[in-house]
Amino acid sequence: GAGVSQSPSNKVTEKGKDVELRCDPISGHTALYWYRQSLGQGLEFLIYFQGNSAPDKSGLPSDRFSAERTGGSVSTLTIQRTQQEDSAVYLCASSLAEFNEQFFGPGTRLTVL
Amino acid sequence: AQSVTQLDSHVSVSEGTPVLLRCNYSSSYSPSLFWYVQHPNKGLQLLLKYTSAATLVKGINGFEAEFKKSETSFHLTKPSAHMSDAAEYFCVVKGTGGQNFVFGPGTRLSVLP
Repeated sequence: GAGVSQSPSNKVTEKGKDVELRCDPISGHTALYWYRQSLGQGLEFLIYFQGNSAPDKSGLPSDRFSAERTGGSVSTLTIQRTQQEDSAVYLCASSLAEFNEQFFGPGTRLTVL
Repeated sequence: AQSVTQLDSHVSVSEGTPVLLRCNYSSSYSPSLFWYVQHPNKGLQLLLKYTSAATLVKGINGFEAEFKKSETSFHLTKPSAHMSDAAEYFCVVKGTGGQNFVFGPGTRLSVLP
């Protein structure tokens, strides 16, 4: 079946602009995660959604970052007033919570000029 | 809180020789442990996972890892490296206290002809 998809694959924006990144998880997966991977770095957890529970936002680096998940499926990560340090690859993953294994999307490469 | 240490940022081996990528973890609970691989410009792929069953875990592409509680280690091994194994490898720990997956900083594996 289809895997996790993300769009756009690349996004170049100017400092101060808002951006929206989209994630389509695997159908039926109740858990959805957003991570950020800066150049040459490991993955930094951003936010986690599980079913209808309140999301775990503990990894969001500032109040410029927000995410929502509509209907328990598609998720959008929004970054307001982008800064150059926001440049990174943003990865989305989904899982069947009881099995824990995460399936990752290809990522969105964000470049803030 | 959970944490992961990958002792080598870069490992270089010759084709046909054994691979050892080291991982040590810290967790207050009995953890779930994972190894993911990321090939250049590709998404993250699960290699193997430990979830409190057998301590020696076999994964894809001939990789395996052994969970050693006394040493808090989960090292990744392969008897004979192949050129296609060149990639970035991430050790991941997930505690039972939440859904937050903690990624290690990664080890870049180079395979020389």
